[in-house]
Amino acid sequence: NAGVTQTPKFRILKIGQSMTLQCTQDMNHNYMYWYRQDPGMGLKLIYYSVGAGITDKGEVPNGYNVSRSTTEDFPLRLELAAPSQTSVYFCASSYLRGALTDTQYFGPGTRLTVL
Amino acid sequence: LAKTTQPISMDSYEGQEVNITCSHNNIATNDYITWYQQFPSQGPRFIIQGYKTKVTNEVASLFIPADRKSSTLSLPRVSLSDTAVYYCLVGDKGGGSQGNLIFGKGTKLSVKP
Repeated sequence: NAGVTQTPKFRILKIGQSMTLQCTQDMNHNYMYWYRQDPGMGLKLIYYSVGAGITDKGEVPNGYNVSRSTTEDFPLRLELAAPSQTSVYFCASSYLRGALTDTQYFGPGTRLTVL
Repeated sequence: LAKTTQPISMDSYEGQEVNITCSHNNIATNDYITWYQQFPSQGPRFIIQGYKTKVTNEVASLFIPADRKSSTLSLPRVSLSDTAVYYCLVGDKGGGSQGNLIFGKGTKLSVKP
């Protein structure tokens, strides 16, 4: 089991560029999440998905889009990158709906810098 | 979700026992207490979870007094590799409003040789 994998590990974008952050999990989890973590801060939820074809906004969705065509993959799309999107992005998955009684498994993160 | 308060940082030396206390005065009856660990440049990792009294696993122990208004994560005989940020989370089975985990700033533990 690879768990949750994310690509790329690092990326530098210019203002206005777009990119897709990839996330794949091999645990057959229905629930997947995208968080961002700014320096010295906790994690904030961007988008989440409760299963293939179903996605919903989290706390900070502006400037991002997601899709969930398969159980395994949950890509995050950044449109028109801005310096405020400089952050570390974590993808996570869980078997149950984000229950605190259920473990969320996190990927290694993607460090994004927008200049 | 109940608000939590934990120290911003702690220092320790190798071989010592480290206790990190989290206050959660507004904990509800259905709430569980969960701790995650985050190493630099990695995603958070589940450590331990409990509802009351004491829970122990291969990594840590979690002590919860009867009133459940606080909890203490205990790391026995820490090593340099335990240097990380530790997050205390409190909530019920619903998690956040969208089912997410809500992480505060956590406690940055630095273990020195």
